[in-house]
Amino acid sequence: QQQVKQSPQSLIVQKGGISIINCAYENTAFDYFPWYQQFPGKGPALLIAIRPDVSEKKEGRFTISFNKSAKQFSLHIMDSQPGDSATYFCAASIEGRGSTLGRLYFGRGTQLTVWP
Amino acid sequence: DTAVSQTPKYLVTQMGNDKSIKCEQNLGHDTMYWYKQDSKKFLKIMFSYNNKELIINETVPNRFSPKSPDKAHLNLHINSLELGDSAVYFCASSPRGLGLLNTEAFFGQGTRLTVV
Repeated sequence: QQQVKQSPQSLIVQKGGISIINCAYENTAFDYFPWYQQFPGKGPALLIAIRPDVSEKKEGRFTISFNKSAKQFSLHIMDSQPGDSATYFCAASIEGRGSTLGRLYFGRGTQLTVWP
Repeated sequence: DTAVSQTPKYLVTQMGNDKSIKCEQNLGHDTMYWYKQDSKKFLKIMFSYNNKELIINETVPNRFSPKSPDKAHLNLHINSLELGDSAVYFCASSPRGLGLLNTEAFFGQGTRLTVV
């Protein structure tokens, strides 16, 4: 079953607006929540990540908000730019051994389009 | 000086053929992965290796066989290709090792496999 649920599937925002992408998870063993950005024809690249011991992390225009009790986290892109147009994936993983080692469970992705 | 490189970038082949995709990382990472991205952009792990040892073997048809000759290389061999194998295959690596906290996974540019 889908371990990480992501919405919306697609998002259209005007330049300068705020883009918000939401994710939810069930497995409380998850302890690392990265967001990946993927441009057409390229592999995903880490954008920003958070651990559950903090409720928010900000890097430039990108902010992750994390709600541990609700098992939800979201990506906010402030002052969205056309260059931000890409597919965004939330993910979760478990620090651990054996079969959980390094396994990233991805959401289904959000296609963001920022109009100039 | 590409960090994670895959070859070929595009692969078009007929049903029933056997093909291989090669992956090399020059980051000195201990762990390497294969992910499959389907036509709807869903990313799912297939395999992971840590220091040449198979760690994750997701429910993948046994026509897919990974091989890690050393910790900088992880190749994917696919036998008896089927139409449903058409997808983009991503190799990735990370410095994760047993006991290390989760860290960034670096993805290659992907191999678009088309089975006709």
